[in-house]
Amino acid sequence: AQKVTQAQTEISVVEKEDVTLDCVYETRDTTYYLFWYKQPPSGELVFLIRRNSFDEQNEISGRYSWNFQKSTSSFNFTITASQVVDSAVYFCALSEVGGATNKLIFGTGTLLAVQP
Amino acid sequence: ETGVTQTPRHLVMGMTNKKSLKCEQHLGHNAMYWYKQSAKKPLELMFVYNFKEQTENNSVPSRFSPECPNSSHLFLHLHTLQPEDSALYLCASATSGSYNSPLHFGNGTRLTVT
Repeated sequence: AQKVTQAQTEISVVEKEDVTLDCVYETRDTTYYLFWYKQPPSGELVFLIRRNSFDEQNEISGRYSWNFQKSTSSFNFTITASQVVDSAVYFCALSEVGGATNKLIFGTGTLLAVQP
Repeated sequence: ETGVTQTPRHLVMGMTNKKSLKCEQHLGHNAMYWYKQSAKKPLELMFVYNFKEQTENNSVPSRFSPECPNSSHLFLHLHTLQPEDSALYLCASATSGSYNSPLHFGNGTRLTVT
């Protein structure tokens, strides 16, 4: 069965600290896609990044970076020099391959609180 | 105009009421989704539509009735709901036929059943 685990329910940091959000997934598919979303208090889930299972290169986008390790089935997300605006719930998700449409299986999310 | 728009943002209804949630997307997508988000639970996929045809019903109770008149609009009709149905209902859209296509979400409708 496919599953996404985000073991950290809540994390609180002080502004300018670095923080890593963990994501571990389970799948039997050889080809799959992983995603990270941000959900601010407004409710909308904002797409941050997509990674396919054949591309293990780490990615950096500004203060955000992602570490994909197939050997440990992990896709962790690091925010460098965190800011108050980073406060949100962050979700990791896995594509369920099969059928005509992309269906995402989400983890339970990690609530990040960045204190000024 | 935002990509995926949901109305209303908040809804309070009694258990005997009938109401509808509306979703509209302006992204040219052909796949649309309803997800339910309850506290302390992962987002639960409820329904998927592909080119107006329902392709997934994730064992959702019949008191939730979706409707997709075209690829841009999606409704969720609600009747005789239970208090445990109180949640944030999120609509999403995506490019059909592509597993790497991210889902684009609306702001959600916060539903409270009294």
